[in-house]
Amino acid sequence: DQQVKQNSPSLSVQEGRISILNCDYTNSMFDYFLWYKKYPAEGPTFLISISSIKDKNEDGRFTVFLNKSAKHLSLHIVPSQPGDSAVYFCAASARETSGSRLTFGEGTQLTVNP
Amino acid sequence: DVKVTQSSRYLVKRTGEKVFLECVQDMDHENMFWYRQDPGLGLRLIYFSYDVKMKEKGDIPEGYSVSREKKERFSLILESASTNQTSMYLCASSLVDFKNTEAFFGQGTRLTVV
Repeated sequence: DQQVKQNSPSLSVQEGRISILNCDYTNSMFDYFLWYKKYPAEGPTFLISISSIKDKNEDGRFTVFLNKSAKHLSLHIVPSQPGDSAVYFCAASARETSGSRLTFGEGTQLTVNP
Repeated sequence: DVKVTQSSRYLVKRTGEKVFLECVQDMDHENMFWYRQDPGLGLRLIYFSYDVKMKEKGDIPEGYSVSREKKERFSLILESASTNQTSMYLCASSLVDFKNTEAFFGQGTRLTVV
């Protein structure tokens, strides 16, 4: 039972354009959502997060949007840069019931072309 | 800066061997986790620990065990390695903090079982 799903295995965009990565979840107990970036042969690094009491969180070129009614979140990167090319993982936690345990999606490989 | 260090970057083991993967964190985090990453499946939780000598099964604990004798160290044990345990193994740690659940990852161990 995949509670966090990233339906696009890959995404390719041009440098300078917007990258939009999507994530859907099924567990209504999830109340905190995170995005991680992973380069090959390295561990994932935290990028940005959002609590379920918000619908948007912005940090520089990265913005995460949360639509609770649709159980959907997205990560916007603008402008995209070649160094953003990596695998992006969406993750969620249900802090009331599961504490710090994170459930991850399958990942989306982003390629930013110069 | 939080540092999570995994003892090996690459390991090659034979089927049936007992394998130990070690992880150390230096930020006095209560929680520690072991994930495996496989293409198309994302990160899946094997085991986690929220305190010394405490452990909880994750989503895929079969064939694995763990040990947490000291707060900073969390070991993953493959009792009898099999080829389907060939994977990237990722250790992570986090605070017990219900405001956010950001986990910090090690660099990963690429295990090949032949």
